[in-house]
Amino acid sequence: AQSVTQLDSQVPVFEEAPVELRCNYSSSVSVYLFWYVQYPNQGLQLLLKYLSGSTLVESINGFEAEFNKSQTSFHLRKPSVHISDTAEYFCAVSDNYGQNFVFGPGTRLSVLP
Amino acid sequence: NAGVTQTPKFRVLKTGQSMTLLCAQDMNHEYMYWYRQDPGMGLRLIHYSVGEGTTAKGEVPDGYNVSRLKKQNFLLGLESAAPSQTSVYFCASLGNGEETQYFGPGTRLLVL
Repeated sequence: AQSVTQLDSQVPVFEEAPVELRCNYSSSVSVYLFWYVQYPNQGLQLLLKYLSGSTLVESINGFEAEFNKSQTSFHLRKPSVHISDTAEYFCAVSDNYGQNFVFGPGTRLSVLP
Repeated sequence: NAGVTQTPKFRVLKTGQSMTLLCAQDMNHEYMYWYRQDPGMGLRLIHYSVGEGTTAKGEVPDGYNVSRLKKQNFLLGLESAAPSQTSVYFCASLGNGEETQYFGPGTRLLVL
């Protein structure tokens, strides 16, 4: 069985400051890893994903995440956040068949002016 | 291409009433899912389907039933609503051989 832990339920940060949202997973099989973002009153949108290859993956809006197999982590980072990044962020894991999705509890990022 | 749509967007029920939530996708995806989202608990899988005519239980199936009579639609039914079913419900779909789920906008359900 797979599981996902997001230790920080809420992360407040000032605009233009860096941020890291932590994600750890456990699985007995090889996995795919995802970060989804949910803006207020909307559904989830894919932010970025790791399937294979380079362990550092990037999104179009400046976020990046690094897959660390030895630490079973997939932390999300951004060097300088904007007010518009305020949202809830979910880490998710699936098996290599793209099924058996498990989501973490989410981290609410609040960017303060 | 509308992606994944959900009907209704918001509903209020009284305890014991029944209702059906509709999810539709126009991407010809094989897999469809129903999740509920509750504060501090992320998304929990209720039921899912790996193809037309098939359904399976997820993590929290009790009190819900589903049907997948057509490939593009996945219905979630509550036969006798309870206040514990107050939640936001999300539908998602996934194409065969793909890795990324696509989500609908959600249905907010309040059971009084």
